[in-house]
Amino acid sequence: DAGVIQSPRHEVTEMGQEVTLRCKPISGHNSLFWYRQTMMRGLELLIYFNNNVPIDDSGMPEDRFSAKMPNASFSTLKIQPSEPRDSAVYFCASSYSTANTEAFFGQGTRLTVV
Amino acid sequence: TQLLEQSPQFLSIQEGENLTVYCNSSSVFSSLQWYRQEPGEGPVLLVTVVTGGEVKKLKRLTFQFGDARKDSSLHITAAQPGDTGLYLCAGGGSNYQLIWGAGTKLIIKP
Repeated sequence: DAGVIQSPRHEVTEMGQEVTLRCKPISGHNSLFWYRQTMMRGLELLIYFNNNVPIDDSGMPEDRFSAKMPNASFSTLKIQPSEPRDSAVYFCASSYSTANTEAFFGQGTRLTVV
Repeated sequence: TQLLEQSPQFLSIQEGENLTVYCNSSSVFSSLQWYRQEPGEGPVLLVTVVTGGEVKKLKRLTFQFGDARKDSSLHITAAQPGDTGLYLCAGGGSNYQLIWGAGTKLIIKP
């Protein structure tokens, strides 16, 4: 298996622009997570999906952030409009099930908003 | 609120030395996972411990879960430059949630 695949690896955008991050989880994994990592705050859970349904989005910082999972093999995280404070590394991770919390991470998307 | 405190935050030692990283909480976890993250990559799972007092070994790395399942340690024997990275502990509860430590940045100098 290729593992969790994220795209793009790097994104530089201007403040106010829309940004879309993409994720393909490991086939057969029912749980998908979006995380944000910064030096100051470490790894923060943004949203959790189980069987394509958003279960917990309490970590989504603002209404500017939205996430979708239209099917078991694809998820997006969108920021509209983007702000400089959104600059961070965004990770997608998947796990086999709710009961098995061992997470497999993608390589991340480094977002820079200027 | 469940919290996991990792210590030290940063450690720089010479190749061949031994080291221990700690992960402590006042909460009980059903499992404790350790991950290593290298620059430009996502965290990679090293081990999961689930039983109080459990010890697992991965080559020169020894992981221990506290008897009360509130703390864990990672001991590296004869550290190598390839051990350099950010080590993260994460506590699992009764649901999907993982509680993450802030990480220990480890540098092994040749």
